[in-house]
Amino acid sequence: NAGVMQNPRHLVRRRGQEARLRCSPMKGHSHVYWYRQLPEEGLKFMVYLQKENIIDESGMPKERFSAEFPKEGPSILRIQQVVRGDSAAYFCASSPRGQERLDTGELFFGEGSRLTVL
Amino acid sequence: GDSVTQMEGPVTLSEEAFLTINCTYTATGYPSLFWYVQYPGEGLQLLLKATKADDKGSNKGFEATYRKETTSFHLEKGSVQVSDSAVYFCALTLARAGSYQLTFGKGTKLSVIP
Repeated sequence: NAGVMQNPRHLVRRRGQEARLRCSPMKGHSHVYWYRQLPEEGLKFMVYLQKENIIDESGMPKERFSAEFPKEGPSILRIQQVVRGDSAAYFCASSPRGQERLDTGELFFGEGSRLTVL
Repeated sequence: GDSVTQMEGPVTLSEEAFLTINCTYTATGYPSLFWYVQYPGEGLQLLLKATKADDKGSNKGFEATYRKETTSFHLEKGSVQVSDSAVYFCALTLARAGSYQLTFGKGTKLSVIP
């Protein structure tokens, strides 16, 4: 039973390029969360999605960042025109349900995608 | 806003030593509290949890008690092993109040030497 799969594990981009990070949730999970970990910081919530819906994007920067979770395929976190401050580890988590699982901490995290912007 | 503060690392201990990692929180409501662990090369895993005051979460020899009066959730283990070397994150959620977020501390890296 495969866990949450994130790819790429490591991504290097030059300033101004686009970064696309993918997250395949565990089988049967329809809820996806994205978190960002800046150097020397804790994980910060970015966005919560269900299939084809963005439920809470209060943690997403207003510009350049977008996320989707289509009916078929992985969830995508897209960063346009990357800047050095976007360098971070981006973690995806999934759960079979929403808040009830969140309240019990039963999220399953991927290994993260580490973005480096040169 | 809600926040979690945990002790700075890294922490280096000898095998069989006693471990304490302090965690305190501020929250506008009545949160659920968690410890997550990240082993090298892996994603975060839930280690233990407590959903109400005076609850004690425990797993794999680790324990933490939800102390509402001191807003704390300190992680303890009586005798650490080399295999416990990892990064430990304290976290909270106000999911019962409608939040979709976990709020994490910065993490504490633990290294256990033989």
